[in-house]
Amino acid sequence: QQPVQSPQAVILREGEDAVINCSSSKALYSVHWYRQKHGEAPVFLMILLKGGEQKGHEKISASFNEKKQQSSLYLTASQLSYSGTYFCGTVETSGSRLTFGEGTQLTVNP
Amino acid sequence: GAGVSQSPSNKVTEKGKDVELRCDPISGHTALYWYRQSLGQGLEFLIYFQGNSAPDKSGLPSDRFSAERTGGSVSTLTIQRTQQEDSAVYLCASSFRGSYNEQFFGPGTRLTVL
Repeated sequence: QQPVQSPQAVILREGEDAVINCSSSKALYSVHWYRQKHGEAPVFLMILLKGGEQKGHEKISASFNEKKQQSSLYLTASQLSYSGTYFCGTVETSGSRLTFGEGTQLTVNP
Repeated sequence: GAGVSQSPSNKVTEKGKDVELRCDPISGHTALYWYRQSLGQGLEFLIYFQGNSAPDKSGLPSDRFSAERTGGSVSTLTIQRTQQEDSAVYLCASSFRGSYNEQFFGPGTRLTVL
């Protein structure tokens, strides 16, 4: 089942923070985050496994609440290079394949 | 090392013709995925190969679409009797030992059906 992402789009000024949410109605084993810049292939950011862990990657971090089947991606002090579309992907505990959400388009302006 | 490669990078075809898209995964990666991405849209799952297991074909939109993976390496996605709605970027990705690991994406094949 496809996860739901929110918001669909967000516009920031450089240095501002943003949160992107991902939720599923199914029990999840893992949540994956990718970023895709315009005209390029998606690039891996991080994976979170069930257990409520939080991970960080530069100034981008994420959390995973397995009880709520929700994950959030936190972008702090955004940079122009953060612009792109962010996709969350989920693997259900009952399944084996990764299913991506519709994506959140992030634009960081000077 | 080399990443995931796809060929051709662009393909323009006429409605009704068959097309073959090729994906060379990273050496040693046992899992291979095909996705379709229409302009400005998300990543639509098509098919997933994992080792010697039967592929997960649940995302193929119609019986005009098929895929195979030979020798656990190269994969070919075939679209028969192409339609205009098949126009999209077709992305291939591979990962080491399945969906629980990072997927490495190829640059994609842009298919245009006239």
